Amino acid sequence: EDQVTQSPEALRLQEGESSSLNCSYTVSGLRGLFWYRQDPGKGPEFLFTLYSAGEEKEKERLKATLTKKESFLHITAPKPEDSATYLCAVALTDSWGKLQFGAGTQVVVTP
Amino acid sequence: GAVVSQHPSRVICKSGTSVKIECRSLDFQATTMFWYRQFPKQSLMLMATSNEGSKATYEQGVEKDKFLINHASLTLSTLTVTSAHPEDSSFYICSASEMGRLNTEAFFGQGTRLTVV
Repeated sequence: EDQVTQSPEALRLQEGESSSLNCSYTVSGLRGLFWYRQDPGKGPEFLFTLYSAGEEKEKERLKATLTKKESFLHITAPKPEDSATYLCAVALTDSWGKLQFGAGTQVVVTP
Repeated sequence: GAVVSQHPSRVICKSGTSVKIECRSLDFQATTMFWYRQFPKQSLMLMATSNEGSKATYEQGVEKDKFLINHASLTLSTLTVTSAHPEDSSFYICSASEMGRLNTEAFFGQGTRLTVV
């Protein structure tokens, strides 16, 4: 059975305190792995797509990496505005809208 | 990124009534849109795939007669929750990918909070 597991469930950081979120997956055929950010009461906001092991992508204070079994989202020197739930999702078909999501990591960054 | 607009953002309805939620792709055409459901503190669960000009494809366990999906044009899909009950209260979110482009990421609407009283 295909599974996407995110850890930790919640993370509380001081402003400037870097950390990493984990997304491990066991799927039969990965077409793409996605990271989204979701603010309370809002839809997910697209961050990154990763296609293959070894790939890395960066955007401001965020960096996503991918191995054959897991992906990490590194948050460097976070600011309070980085507080959100970060969702990992995998596409199992060539239709990238059809996603299987992990449960998310809720990140709170305090000043 | 591409813009997907969802309306309404919040709706409260009485038990037994029906509610329609619209999902529009504003700056691109989408032959396929997706409807997700999210319970509090849980992740998104795919409900159905909406195909322009044809019937929707529902995930296992989703009642197609309760959640009616219509995809009448390349920019609009609607989800109608029929005979709503309190257990249908949830956050409903749609997404869309640009037509004609495989392997392109999906963009999400802002979601609709449905409360059935």
